[in-house]
Amino acid sequence: EAGVTQFPSHSVIEKGQTVTLRCDPISGHDNLYWYRRVMGKEIKFLLHFVKESKQDESGMPNNRFLAERTGGTYSTLKVQPAELEDSGVYFCASSQGGLAGGVEQYFGPGTRLTVT
Amino acid sequence: DAKTTQPNSMESNEEEPVHLPCNHSTISGTDYIHWYRQLPSQGPEYVIHGLTSNVNNRMASLAIAEDRKSSTLILHRATLRDAAVYYCILKRWGGTSYGKLTFGQGTILTVHP
Repeated sequence: EAGVTQFPSHSVIEKGQTVTLRCDPISGHDNLYWYRRVMGKEIKFLLHFVKESKQDESGMPNNRFLAERTGGTYSTLKVQPAELEDSGVYFCASSQGGLAGGVEQYFGPGTRLTVT
Repeated sequence: DAKTTQPNSMESNEEEPVHLPCNHSTISGTDYIHWYRQLPSQGPEYVIHGLTSNVNNRMASLAIAEDRKSSTLILHRATLRDAAVYYCILKRWGGTSYGKLTFGQGTILTVHP
């Protein structure tokens, strides 16, 4: 079974440009999450989709970030316009359905974003 | 979010057991204890989780104190592949943020051949 995949693996853009990151969760997983680690900091939660709906977007840093999950399958995270402080590694994760706290999340390899 | 405290780093020799401690004195009754690890250049990987009782799986064991204010992840025989950052995370059951994982600094485990 394929794991969580992310594209691209690495992106280098200039400040002010737009970048779109893509995540394909494990097939059948209703829950999809975005996290990021900026340089020298801890991994931070960004948001959580249940199917196509945003369950929790409390971690989204500002309105330059837009996440979508049309059709409840893959998700995109757009940063527009990108700023230097957006550089870091963006992780996507997915999990099966359920409200229990015991549901494990499967992470992708991450997209390394560099804003110059 | 309830906070966890872990040592910054630990070292072990290959083939020996490793006990990774975690303190979570403000844990609430609806918090599950999760452990994830992150190998170099990879995304985090689920290791194990528990609520009150000790748990075993193919990767590790989780020992939870009776008062639930601390736990220990046990790797029974460390291998070089176990060198990673280990995160102890409290994950709340229910509520809007039930899916959120709050990562701390974690423990950097070094395994010597």
